[in-house]
Amino acid sequence: AQSVTQPDIHITVSEGASLELRCNYSYGATPYLFWYVQSPGQGLQLLLKYFSGDTLVQGIKGFEAEFKRSQSSFNLRKPSVHWSDAAEYFCAVRDYNQGGKLIFGQGTELSVKP
Amino acid sequence: NAGVTQTPKFQVLKTGQSMTLQCAQDMNHNSMYWYRQDPGMGLRLIYYSASEGTTDKGEVPNGYNVSRLNKREFSLRLESAAPSQTSVYFCASTDRGNQPQHFGDGTRLSIL
Repeated sequence: AQSVTQPDIHITVSEGASLELRCNYSYGATPYLFWYVQSPGQGLQLLLKYFSGDTLVQGIKGFEAEFKRSQSSFNLRKPSVHWSDAAEYFCAVRDYNQGGKLIFGQGTELSVKP
Repeated sequence: NAGVTQTPKFQVLKTGQSMTLQCAQDMNHNSMYWYRQDPGMGLRLIYYSASEGTTDKGEVPNGYNVSRLNKREFSLRLESAAPSQTSVYFCASTDRGNQPQHFGDGTRLSIL
């Protein structure tokens, strides 16, 4: 069955430090992959998406992600974290069944130290 | 701003009560979805509507019903609320499969 795993439930980084959030997927075909961010009490905002082509994709707010088929990974990165990046981050893969639903990872909560 | 609008934002119910969560999108999207979010579990699909006039079950449909009222609106109904349905409910929509889903701000539902 298709699945998405985010191994890190909670990560704390210092402001200005680099960030990498891990995402591994299990999917038989070419995946459509997404990263969403959720601030407290808010909905989900799309950070970036991967469908095909260049395996390094750029998103909003200075985020990027790299698709590595050999590792079944789609890790999210940011060179320098800002305090406003504190939020929960979700990786998701589109399922071809059930109307193209999204299969989500468990989420990674990011805290930023001043 | 264009997007997905959910009402209400917060609701407290007693066990056995019924209620309907409303969702409307103004992006002319064909597909709409209802998810629930529970701690440590990400989001799980309750029901979806691939196009106007069709609805289908997702992963966790028990205890819920839906109505695709028209292309814009997709409602979720709890006929007899149970404490296990305490959750945050998100509505989403998309145009095509290779496009991202757009999410509303959620409805935070507590059932006592």
